[in-house]
Amino acid sequence: KQEVTQIPAALSVPEGENLVLNCSFTDSAIYNLQWFRQDPGKGLTSLLLIQSSQREQTSGRLNASLDKSSGRSTLYIAASQPGDSATYLCAVKTSGAGSYQLTFGKGTKLSVIP
Amino acid sequence: EAGVVQSPRYKIIEKKQPVAFWCNPISGHNTLYWYLQNLGQGPELLIRYENEEAVDDSQLPKDRFSAERLKGVDSTLKIQPAELGDSAVYLCASSFRAGVKDTQYFGPGTRLTVL
Repeated sequence: KQEVTQIPAALSVPEGENLVLNCSFTDSAIYNLQWFRQDPGKGLTSLLLIQSSQREQTSGRLNASLDKSSGRSTLYIAASQPGDSATYLCAVKTSGAGSYQLTFGKGTKLSVIP
Repeated sequence: EAGVVQSPRYKIIEKKQPVAFWCNPISGHNTLYWYLQNLGQGPELLIRYENEEAVDDSQLPKDRFSAERLKGVDSTLKIQPAELGDSAVYLCASSFRAGVKDTQYFGPGTRLTVL
């Protein structure tokens, strides 16, 4: 059974700092890995999706890397802003029940202090 | 284009009462998912629909939970009777298909509190 772990569970940084969020998964037979953002009381917003054949994806100040063989991914946020404060969830897509399913980590709660 | 719509956004009930949640997926999306998200946890799949058919309900507690997706569009998730441990956020998501490249789009969720 796939398990996804995110470290740290919570992180507080001053505005402007660069930061890294970590995600690890136990079964490397994944199709892709996705990073989501969740604001309080809201649903999940997809940030970046990395296919299993890719090493990284970039969107603005966000960069996600994937090392499938070691079961690890990182989300790098450059020049953090208070608006980046949210919970960041990592999810991997694997096959199961005749289709493809997402397995989520517990998330990292990020607070960016002005 | 409208996103996934869920209602109500918040619901407070007493234990043993019934409760229902409604989801309207993105137009044209054939696959619909219901997830349960406990506090401090990631979402966990309860049930997946392909059109009207529930094709994966292995994680749905069938003694008290039920779901339906009439006409392959809107869906309703019901709990009867609710227990204290059911307090959580119930998320609905949809995708065009359930293929490897299909992206799931999530609604805002319904936060249930059982007293």
